Amino acid sequence: DQQVKQNSPSLSVQEGRISILNCDYTNSMFDYFLWYKKYPAEGPTFLISISSIKDKNEDGRFTVFLNKSAKHLSLHIVPSQPGDSAVYFCAASQASSNTGKLIFGQGTTLQVKP
Amino acid sequence: DTGVSQDPRHKITKRGQNVTFRCDPISEHNRLYWYRQTLGQGPEFLTYFQNEAQLEKSRLLSDRFSAERPKGSFSTLEIQRTEQGDSAMYLCASSSFGGGGVGDTQYFGPGTRLTVL
Repeated sequence: DQQVKQNSPSLSVQEGRISILNCDYTNSMFDYFLWYKKYPAEGPTFLISISSIKDKNEDGRFTVFLNKSAKHLSLHIVPSQPGDSAVYFCAASQASSNTGKLIFGQGTTLQVKP
Repeated sequence: DTGVSQDPRHKITKRGQNVTFRCDPISEHNRLYWYRQTLGQGPEFLTYFQNEAQLEKSRLLSDRFSAERPKGSFSTLEIQRTEQGDSAMYLCASSSFGGGGVGDTQYFGPGTRLTVL
């Protein structure tokens, strides 16, 4: 039972263009969402998060959008840079239950071409 | 401020042997989490501690797995009688949890890659 899904295993974009990574979830109890970036042989690095009381959060080149009715979130990277090439994971939790346990998607590999 | 550290980074062992991993969280973080990641998958939750109390364990954590956080600082994860299916990246994360239903942002260490021959 995959509660968090990233249906695109890979994405390739040109440097300077926008990268859009998508994530869907099934559990309506999830109320806190995070995006992590992972390079090979390293642990995931936190990028940005969003609470379910918001529909958008922005941090520099990274913006996360949340559509609760569709149970969908997306990460926009503008402009994309070659250093952004990595695996991106979305994760969800039930903050209201104070558990903190994260449920991850399978990841999307982003390649930014110079 | 140093990040989360894990030791060792790599471990190769033979089936049936016991292994122990260590995680040092970001100082003063009260929560510590263990996850396991296999190839092509996202990290899967194993267990977590708040201070020294182990608050939740996943069904993935069989009887061969045990985790401790004796003084509420570093944590160890032990796997007894390792099996080839235990081969994975074991990730540790920590957070400063404040409660009140506010989201808990976790910061990950570099992981320990376990290979069971």
